[in-house]
Amino acid sequence: AQSVTQLGSHVSVSEGALVLLRCNYSSSVPPYLFWYVQYPNQGLQLLLKYTSAATLVKGINGFEAEFKKSETSFHLTKPSAHMSDAAEYFCAVRGPADSSYKLIFGSGTRLLVRP
Amino acid sequence: EAEVAQSPRYKITEKSQAVAFWCDPISGHATLYWYRQILGQGPELLVQFQDESVVDDSQLPKDRFSAERLKGVDSTLKIQPAELGDSAMYLCASSFLYPLAASTDTQYFGPGTRLTVL
Repeated sequence: AQSVTQLGSHVSVSEGALVLLRCNYSSSVPPYLFWYVQYPNQGLQLLLKYTSAATLVKGINGFEAEFKKSETSFHLTKPSAHMSDAAEYFCAVRGPADSSYKLIFGSGTRLLVRP
Repeated sequence: EAEVAQSPRYKITEKSQAVAFWCDPISGHATLYWYRQILGQGPELLVQFQDESVVDDSQLPKDRFSAERLKGVDSTLKIQPAELGDSAMYLCASSFLYPLAASTDTQYFGPGTRLTVL
């Protein structure tokens, strides 16, 4: 069965520092992976998605993620954190056909950005 | 830019009362999803529609929850009676293509309805 694990429920970085949010997946088939961001009391917004076209995926707001099959990982990075990046980030894997391809989310990582 | 609309944004109710949430997906989107997000957790799918038909409701507590999408456009999720454990954010999402036709299709989320059951 498909699943994702996000390491670290909270990550704190200084403004201008590298952002690294970790996601490991488990999938019995080639996975389709997603990163979403959620600001307080708002819905989820897609940052980027991996669809097997390229292992390095660039998204919005300067974020990117690299698919590493050997490590079963899809970590999210941003070279320089901005105060506006403070939010909750969710990694998700698309479920198999017999589950109607529903999204299976990790438990989320809250990013705190210190001035 | 088209968005998924949800109402109300916030709902406070007492246990044993009935509540209803409404969702209007992006125009032309065939697939509609209802997710429940408990505080501190990721969203979990409750029910998925393809047009007006239910595709997946395996995680919907059918003794108290019901969902419909009568004309294949907007949708209503109802809880009756509400329980304390139902306090959560209820998120609606939609996507353009039928789920089995495009597994990489993007799901667009609405702002959610935050339910508090007292």
